[in-house]
Amino acid sequence: KNQVEQSPQSLIILEGKNCTLQCNYTVSPFSNLRWYKQDTGRGPVSLTIMTFSENTKSNGRYTATLDADTKQSSLHITASQLSDSASYICVVSEGGSYIPTFGRGTSLIVHP
Amino acid sequence: DAGVIQSPRHEVTEMGQEVTLRCKPISGHDYLFWYRQTMMRGLELLIYFNNNVPIDDSGMPEDRFSAKMPNASFSTLKIQPSEPRDSAVYFCASSFYTWETQYFGPGTRLLVL
Repeated sequence: KNQVEQSPQSLIILEGKNCTLQCNYTVSPFSNLRWYKQDTGRGPVSLTIMTFSENTKSNGRYTATLDADTKQSSLHITASQLSDSASYICVVSEGGSYIPTFGRGTSLIVHP
Repeated sequence: DAGVIQSPRHEVTEMGQEVTLRCKPISGHDYLFWYRQTMMRGLELLIYFNNNVPIDDSGMPEDRFSAKMPNASFSTLKIQPSEPRDSAVYFCASSFYTWETQYFGPGTRLLVL
């Protein structure tokens, strides 16, 4: 069964600090991996999409990495801001069908 | 474009009643997705359409759930009869291709009493 595991489940950091969120998956065959940010009470917003051949992709202060060999991805947030407080969801799509498997998310709280 | 539009934003109903959720995708997007999000199970894909045709409905929980897309600008998700365990946030999303960025609507928060 395809699975996506995210860690940590929750994280509290001080404003201005960096942090890294982890995503491990067993989805096979692999199509793409996405990171979403979901603010409380709103729909998810796409941060990055990576295919098999990409190992790094940035979107402003967000940098995602992908190691397709070890089936691991990380999302690094630089110089955190209060507005980064949200849930970050890792989604891996299966090759061919594109059916997504969702992680349960990491809840990030940035304190002033 | 106003983004993906969903209605209603909130719905409270009693067990056994029919519930209809509505979605207007972003103009020009060929793919439309319905998702459900709960605390227990997280986000789940229910069904998706390509050019108004249902492609995969393996995520639809049971026969009480049905989805239609009569045209490129409108889709419905219907639950009949509704049960308390259907309480969740239902999201609609659209994209140009399945592997491209999906744009989510604000969601419909459904509570079945």
